[in-house]
Amino acid sequence: GAGVSQTPSNKVTEKGKYVELRCDPISGHTALYWYRQSLGQGPEFLIYFQGTGAADDSGLPNDRFFAVRPEGSVSTLKIQRTERGDSAVYLCASSVAPPGGISYNEQFFGPGTRLTVL
Amino acid sequence: AQSVSQHNHHVILSEAASLELGCNYSYGGTVNLFWYVQYPGQHLQLLLKYFSGDPLVKGIKGFEAEFIKSKFSFNLRKPSVQWSDTAEYFCAFLDTGRRALTFGSGTRLQVQP
Repeated sequence: GAGVSQTPSNKVTEKGKYVELRCDPISGHTALYWYRQSLGQGPEFLIYFQGTGAADDSGLPNDRFFAVRPEGSVSTLKIQRTERGDSAVYLCASSVAPPGGISYNEQFFGPGTRLTVL
Repeated sequence: AQSVSQHNHHVILSEAASLELGCNYSYGGTVNLFWYVQYPGQHLQLLLKYFSGDPLVKGIKGFEAEFIKSKFSFNLRKPSVQWSDTAEYFCAFLDTGRRALTFGSGTRLQVQP
């Protein structure tokens, strides 16, 4: 079956520009996560959606970063006034969330979007 | 702050050698622990996980990991590596209050034929 997809696979932009990165989760997965992976590092959590709402956005580095998931499926990560330090691979993951409780469901990762800010 | 440490950044082994990759976490509460693997050109995928019960967990492709609470460790092992195990390995944990993972910086494993 189809996995998590992300577009574009690569994005090159200039400092100060605005970018949008898209994530299509696995069908039926209600939980969606964004992570950022800088060179030589492990993925770092940015934001988690349960349905349409951001349940935890504590990982967003500053107010230039924003993410939406208006219909509870596709999500878009938006970065305003990009800086060279934003260059990284942005990963999306999705999971089946239980109706309640705190049990964990495996997160399935997409291939990532490699963002380069010149 | 909660964190995960992977002390081996780059490991080179010959085929059939035994593997042990270290992982230590700093968190005093209940944790759920994971090892993820990223093969060249592929997505991150789950190798194995520990929630509770038997501290020795077995995953895919002959990998296993042992949770030692007193040492805050969750080391990954494989008795005999293959060239196809060449990949980057990430240790991660999930604290019970959140659903997002905290990852280590990764260990790049290179297996020489």
